[in-house]
Amino acid sequence: AQSVTQPDIHITVSEGASLELRCNYSYGATPYLFWYVQSPGQGLQLLLKYFSGDTLVQGIKGFEAEFKRSQSSFNLRKPSVHWSDAAEYFCAVGAQKDTGRRALTFGSGTRLQVQP
Amino acid sequence: DGGITQSPKYLFRKEGQNVTLSCEQNLNHDAMYWYRQDPGQGLRLIYYSQIVNDFQKGDIAEGYSVSREKKESFPLTVTSAQKNPTAFYLCASSRDGNQPQHFGDGTRLSIL
Repeated sequence: AQSVTQPDIHITVSEGASLELRCNYSYGATPYLFWYVQSPGQGLQLLLKYFSGDTLVQGIKGFEAEFKRSQSSFNLRKPSVHWSDAAEYFCAVGAQKDTGRRALTFGSGTRLQVQP
Repeated sequence: DGGITQSPKYLFRKEGQNVTLSCEQNLNHDAMYWYRQDPGQGLRLIYYSQIVNDFQKGDIAEGYSVSREKKESFPLTVTSAQKNPTAFYLCASSRDGNQPQHFGDGTRLSIL
């Protein structure tokens, strides 16, 4: 079965510092991959997605992610974090046809705190 | 503007009571989903529907029921069989199972 692991439950960075959030997936074929962000008490907003092609994907709010097949990873990066980036971030992998599951599988999330 | 509307924002359930959470979308999406979110556990899939009049159990369907009589609506009923219903419930929709999902703002359910 497909799975998504976000190893870091909580990360704190200083405003202006760079950020990398880790995501590892387990999936037999080339996956569809997503990153979402959630502010407290709100729904999730899509940051970016990877379906195929260029392994470096640009998203909204200055975020990017790189798909590395050899490492089964899809890490999210931002060169300079702003205080408004404080939120929870979720990595997700797309539906797996061979199991018949037609829904995304989400990781457990990484909570980002930004220090002034 | 197109989007997903969940109501109510806050809901309280008494012991032995069934409650229904509403989810409506005007994005013309075929697929709709219900997730439960608990602190530190991410999103867990309760039920999903790929098309009207059809739905499938997710990872934690016990104690929940759904219907999909209209394309734009996917209500979730939390039954009295769900012994720990306190959580944040999120509804989402997408064109299909591999496309990005659009989320509502959630319903927070608590026990009285």
